[in-house]
Amino acid sequence: QSALTQPASVSGSPGQSITISCTGTSDDVGGYDYVSWYQQRPGKAPKLMIYDVSNRPSGVSTRFSGSKSGNTASLTISGLQAEDEADYYCNSYTSSSTLVFGGGTKLTVL
Amino acid sequence: QVQFVQSGAEVKKPGASVKLSCRTSGYTFTRYAIHWVRQAPGQRLEWMGWISGGNGDTRYSQRFQGRVTLTRDTSASTVHMDLSSLRSEDTAIYYCARWGDGGKIDYWGQGTLVTVSS
Repeated sequence: QSALTQPASVSGSPGQSITISCTGTSDDVGGYDYVSWYQQRPGKAPKLMIYDVSNRPSGVSTRFSGSKSGNTASLTISGLQAEDEADYYCNSYTSSSTLVFGGGTKLTVL
Repeated sequence: QVQFVQSGAEVKKPGASVKLSCRTSGYTFTRYAIHWVRQAPGQRLEWMGWISGGNGDTRYSQRFQGRVTLTRDTSASTVHMDLSSLRSEDTAIYYCARWGDGGKIDYWGQGTLVTVSS
């Protein structure tokens, strides 16, 4: 199972919106709504930000939103803040009853 | 509250095996699956496998098939991961995590650093 494809890096200024894409296949992202997104800060365990494509866990800012079209899922962060600077990973359930992560995207807040 | 406590750091020589543990609390162990995810230094998250807390069914990434074994002890609400034939590329932080309701990993352990070096 190859990793899902994410851009290596994205950047934005405070207050702006950014979108991180996550491209898979019909055997993972395109075939299931079990797509989730995780934020990881240096030296920390990942933190769940979005699950089931577009649902936010309690406590996660409404500035984070998710969507999916075909084999590509997206994470959008609006009103960018300095604290959003981190690595972001997408994750999908697969047709083999396994999971697969994306390659990760480093978000820089300028 | 839900808690995951992983065993301590390990240093192993190439070719050896390592057994890590993940002790859970604060929820009904048999209701959820536990996944293992690793992260080599500066690298991405990599999914390794999962085990059902209920019936012990397992599924492994093809990349680790034959080298990784997950087991559970329901009486101790603990999951163990054995990784054999270690090589330097296995140096990583290993996380256990719970597959919660809906399609998500909702709780993570603190991670265990495994260093493979001669």
